[in-house]
Amino acid sequence: DAGVIQSPRHEVTEMGQEVTLRCKPISGHDYLFWYRQTMMRGLELLIYFNNNVPIDDSGMPEDRFSAKMPNASFSTLKIQPSEPRDSAVYFCASSLSIYGYTFGSGTRLTVV
Amino acid sequence: AQTVTQSQPEMSVQEAETVTLSCTYDTSENNYYLFWYKQPPSRQMILVIRQEAYKQQNATENRFSVNFQKAAKSFSLKISDSQLGDTAMYFCAVLETGSARQLTFGSGTQLTVLP
Repeated sequence: DAGVIQSPRHEVTEMGQEVTLRCKPISGHDYLFWYRQTMMRGLELLIYFNNNVPIDDSGMPEDRFSAKMPNASFSTLKIQPSEPRDSAVYFCASSLSIYGYTFGSGTRLTVV
Repeated sequence: AQTVTQSQPEMSVQEAETVTLSCTYDTSENNYYLFWYKQPPSRQMILVIRQEAYKQQNATENRFSVNFQKAAKSFSLKISDSQLGDTAMYFCAVLETGSARQLTFGSGTQLTVLP
């Protein structure tokens, strides 16, 4: 298995632009998670899905952030409009059992 | 809600020596899982070791072992025979087995292995 695949690996965008981050979970995993990592706040859970259905989005910072999972093999995290304070590493992770998550390599987002 | 505390922001150890990273947590659940993840400069999050709270025996994985003290809510990681490749940020995390599947992380400990 190729693991959790995230794209792009790096993204630099201008303030106000729309940004879309992509994730392909491990085949067969029924949970998908989006985390954000910053120096100030560490690793924060933004939202997670179970069987493609959003279960808890209480970590999504504000309405500028949205996430979708149209099918079991694909999810997106969109920021519109982006702001400099959104600069962070965004991780996607998936899991099947209780035995921990498998993380993707992350997307480093820089908003200038 | 669960919380995880790692009180050592940075640590260093000489190559081939042993080092212990501390972690305490709080949870209202009786059933939960504990994890240590490693994040090297490549930023990949790598699972190092996991512990089921209902098991009294401490988990081991090659050079990595834990000291799990359930009553004290303590979950330390011991790295034996440290290698240069162990240099990384180490995160402790807790996962409750209830309806919420959220993995909650500590703030991390930056470990540097010195040659």
